[in-house]
Amino acid sequence: GESVGLHLPTLSVQEGDNSIINCAYSNSASDYFIWYKQESGKGPQFIIDIRSNMDKRQGQRVTVLLNKTVKHLSLQIAATQPGDSAVYFCAETSGRGSTLGRLYFGRGTQLTVWP
Amino acid sequence: ETGVTQSPTHLIKTRGQQVTLRCSSQSGHNTVSWYQQALGQGPQFIFQYYREEENGRGNFPPRFSGLQFPNYSSELNVNALELDDSALYLCASSRDRLGEQYFGPGTRLTVT
Repeated sequence: GESVGLHLPTLSVQEGDNSIINCAYSNSASDYFIWYKQESGKGPQFIIDIRSNMDKRQGQRVTVLLNKTVKHLSLQIAATQPGDSAVYFCAETSGRGSTLGRLYFGRGTQLTVWP
Repeated sequence: ETGVTQSPTHLIKTRGQQVTLRCSSQSGHNTVSWYQQALGQGPQFIFQYYREEENGRGNFPPRFSGLQFPNYSSELNVNALELDDSALYLCASSRDRLGEQYFGPGTRLTVT
């Protein structure tokens, strides 16, 4: 079916350490994946995306890795800062078919950064 | 800030009542998608409007309905409210059906 899930509901890291947030997806037809950050009282904020024809994409302090063989997605945050504390969601979508443009979200991972 | 606004911010309704939530899309965007986010869960797709037409619907009953206006702002209507409708309702606008979706801050609906 079309579902996106996360391995860990919570993650606590020390400021300055690297964070890795994982995500599993089940829909082989998904061809576009996005990571969102959601702070308390706010809507999801785009962090980084990756298309299914790529394995890795880097942004500023963030890297997304896609392993299509095992349907796994990860978000790496370098030198994690207190401002990174939030809930992180992965979402998947397809650019074709009846579900075109719909985002399917997982439950989310609460990242807490300790000083 | 994404430029997507939603009103009201918070709302308390009684079971059986009806509610209308509003969303103003970002300038230049012609597509609005609505999501329901229950506490501790990820957002769930309700439906999408593209150029004033419904363009896909998630697994929500017909008492969830919507509308998109010529200026591409949108409304979400929910009839016969149930306790389980309590959630954060998010709208997201995009340049087109496949474009990056920019989320508003959401409307927190509580049904008692």
